[in-house]
Amino acid sequence: NAGVMQNPRHLVRRRGQEARLRCSPMKGHSHVYWYRQLPEEGLKFMVYLQKENIIDESGMPKERFSAEFPKEGPSILRIQQVVRGDSAAYFCASSPSIRDSGGEQYFGPGTRLTVT
Amino acid sequence: EDKVVQSPLSLVVHEGDTVTLNCSYEVTNFRSLLWYKQEKKAPTFLFMLTSSGIEKKSGRLSSILDKKELFSILNITATQTGDSAIYLCAVIKAAGNKLTFGGGTRVLVKP
Repeated sequence: NAGVMQNPRHLVRRRGQEARLRCSPMKGHSHVYWYRQLPEEGLKFMVYLQKENIIDESGMPKERFSAEFPKEGPSILRIQQVVRGDSAAYFCASSPSIRDSGGEQYFGPGTRLTVT
Repeated sequence: EDKVVQSPLSLVVHEGDTVTLNCSYEVTNFRSLLWYKQEKKAPTFLFMLTSSGIEKKSGRLSSILDKKELFSILNITATQTGDSAIYLCAVIKAAGNKLTFGGGTRVLVKP
């Protein structure tokens, strides 16, 4: 499967716990994006990363949320001390370099986070 | 603030009907507009439009962009029940790569 992979697909956390969401981009893609979809709302941009660099984090909440895309391994979206309002579907997307494409992004299946 | 508005919010049609979905935008430094189909899982890429007036086609789906009037339409002809989904429109700016999405149009195709 050469698509964007995310795990876990479903994650249940109690309030105050940490959530770690993983994303492996499509083969050959060096750009990773995280989006959040709250219930009954549209997709909202959170962060854009390249390997070892955060390029744009303008959509990330100021506290408790962090993201990384290390040299080796998947991109991680980390949410500390989760609250009920963090319950949402978190989608990862990837794209090749902008030089090689017009900017289209391909999405993974998402991680559905439920905070109890 | 950048804005992407889709209409209608939802619609119900019967198999064989034609559907037209609208997406209007207000974005500074526009680069491209993208259409996605979202069923129960990942948004699936349909089209990317950069130039005005050039129709993109894939099977029964087609789309066109009007950069003067700042909108795009997505047409689905001879609809099938498998076309039932949420259709998302997004824009991408010249600087930066983030997608700004509209709220989506929910399409239900009845047999």
